[in-house]
Amino acid sequence: DIQMTQSPSTLSASVGDRVTITCRASQSISSWLAWYQQKPGKAPKLLIYKASSLESGVPSRFSGSGSGTEFTLTISSLQPDDFATYYCQQYNSYSPGRTFGQGTKVEIK
Amino acid sequence: EVQLLESGGGLVQPGGSLRLSCAASGFTFSSYAMSWVRQAPGKGLEWVSAISGSGGSTYYADSVKGRFTISRDNSKNTLYLQMNSLRAEDTAVYYCAKGLIQKRTRDAFDIWGQGTMVTVSS
Repeated sequence: DIQMTQSPSTLSASVGDRVTITCRASQSISSWLAWYQQKPGKAPKLLIYKASSLESGVPSRFSGSGSGTEFTLTISSLQPDDFATYYCQQYNSYSPGRTFGQGTKVEIK
Repeated sequence: EVQLLESGGGLVQPGGSLRLSCAASGFTFSSYAMSWVRQAPGKGLEWVSAISGSGGSTYYADSVKGRFTISRDNSKNTLYLQMNSLRAEDTAVYYCAKGLIQKRTRDAFDIWGQGTMVTVSS
């Protein structure tokens, strides 16, 4: 089973900060990784797919990198609208294990 | 406009059944795999089930295997989730989600519905 582990669980940052979130897979998933942003009471929004491809309409301050088992989501300059919870998702296989990471809540410092 | 609209949620007793529906519009429904993803109150996202565009392949998380059945009616552009033997731990918002790329069975989800709440309680 593939397990996805995100860190940190919570991140406190200020507007303008560079923010990095890490996601690790328990085995190689090539580049089959997506990142989502979710705000309270709303459905998740796709930000990044195939580890580093920016979804249409998503601001360029969001970027993704990595392959194999280690991946990062970077927000180059945090904006007020970016305070939310972020999830990674592997789609290499429909594993019985955890497909989504546990989430990282980005809070105002 | 590409849109997904879930319905069918509600309050059900433990051991009961419920059928969720997801009406799709604005895209060629039969060309895309679809999934159900749930989120328990205050918790993270959990993938529940997926189905290929043709409906010929289905996949389930261990937590629902044998109790939930995913299906689709491509003539009606509608996705379903039949949920039987419901448990308290199935309480969650259930989202339907569309695969990003045509004809891929495993994919990122680019369009999500607004979610429908399922509460399992006596």
